[in-house]
Amino acid sequence: AQSVTQPDIHITVSEGASLELRCNYSYGATPYLFWYVQSPGQGLQLLLKYFSGDTLVQGIKGFEAEFKRSQSSFNLRKPSVHWSDAAEYFCAVGARKEYGNKLVFGAGTILRVKS
Amino acid sequence: GAGVSQTPSNKVTEKGKYVELRCDPISGHTALYWYRQSLGQGPEFLIYFQGTGAADDSGLPNDRFFAVRPEGSVSTLKIQRTERGDSAVYLCASSLGTSGNHWETQYFGPGTRLLVL
Repeated sequence: AQSVTQPDIHITVSEGASLELRCNYSYGATPYLFWYVQSPGQGLQLLLKYFSGDTLVQGIKGFEAEFKRSQSSFNLRKPSVHWSDAAEYFCAVGARKEYGNKLVFGAGTILRVKS
Repeated sequence: GAGVSQTPSNKVTEKGKYVELRCDPISGHTALYWYRQSLGQGPEFLIYFQGTGAADDSGLPNDRFFAVRPEGSVSTLKIQRTERGDSAVYLCASSLGTSGNHWETQYFGPGTRLLVL
């Protein structure tokens, strides 16, 4: 069965500092990988996705993620964090089924930004 | 254009009562998904519709949960005999539903926060 592990429940970084959020997945085939962000009272917003090809993918809001098959990881990075990035971040793997595609999410990482 | 909408945004009910949660997907999206997000957890898949039919209901926790989508657009998630453990945020998502075996991006609504007292 597919699973996603986000080892860090909370992370605090200073504004302007770099950020890396960890994600490890378990999936028997080529994974479809996603990062979503959820702000309080808001729905999940897609930051970026990996389907195939270049293992470094760029997303919105200056985020990027790197797929490493050997490590079963898909870590999210940002070179300089802004206060508005404070939110909860979810990594997900797409579990393919013949007639539909459900997402399997990790438990999330809450990002706090210090000024 | 309008995104996925869900009503109500909040619902408080008493244990044992029946509730209905509504999802209005993005216009033209034929695929619709329900997820449940418990406190401190990531969303968990409940059910997926392609058009009017439930193509995958493997995530429904038990027979108290049921969902319909009679006209292939709006969907209603129904919970009978609610229990305190049903308290969670119920998220709806939609996607185009036309890509066959190709993955489609799912667009999420803001959710309905259900509290069972």
